[in-house]
Amino acid sequence: ATQMTQSPSSLSASVGDTVTMTCRASQGISNDLGWYQQKPGKAPKLLIYAASSLQSGVPSRFSGSGSGTDFTLTISSLQPEDFATYYCLQDYTYPRTFGQGTKVEIK
Amino acid sequence: QVQLVESGGGVVQPGTSLRLSCVASGITLSHYPMHWVRQAPGKGLEWVANLYSDGGNKQYADSVRGRFTISRDTSKDTLNLQMDSLRDDDTAVYYCARDPDYKSGGHYWDALDVWGQGTMVTVSS
Repeated sequence: ATQMTQSPSSLSASVGDTVTMTCRASQGISNDLGWYQQKPGKAPKLLIYAASSLQSGVPSRFSGSGSGTDFTLTISSLQPEDFATYYCLQDYTYPRTFGQGTKVEIK
Repeated sequence: QVQLVESGGGVVQPGTSLRLSCVASGITLSHYPMHWVRQAPGKGLEWVANLYSDGGNKQYADSVRGRFTISRDTSKDTLNLQMDSLRDDDTAVYYCARDPDYKSGGHYWDALDVWGQGTMVTVSS
């Protein structure tokens, strides 16, 4: 199975900051990667698919990049509602696999 | 407003079975690939299984293959997850999710864009 490793596991940031988190695949996965946001007690929410395509209705401060094995999710001008846990999910091969998550906390 | 609602969760003993269902409002489930994803208490997300819109192509996580079966009931337009030989480590919130099957130039991407609220399954003796 393709292993997805996210880093960091957690980060502290302030409102207005730009934050970046990464997801690394154990093998090349082209651009077959999505990013999801999850808040406590809630279902995940799709942010990005195909590594860099913004899902409809998602604010433009969210952006994704990368291809092959290394991917990045960037949140520009962090807002209070962005404090959450973020997961990557590869859809290049079966079984699909999530990263372990990056928790964005308030500094 | 598109909405998914899971049901069927509960507390069961190891080795027993449970059947989860997912129904939709605002969409026809059978038109889309559908996924099940689970989350153990305090843990991250784990992809469980998916079913393509043709109903024939099914894929499973290694941890559930041979024990879980994903299926559709087209007459009721529901998505099901039959879970047999349940183990303690199957304890989790189970989510169903729609995949709009985004494609470009013949390439498809998974994009789980609509999720249910989840149903809790607890396996404990």
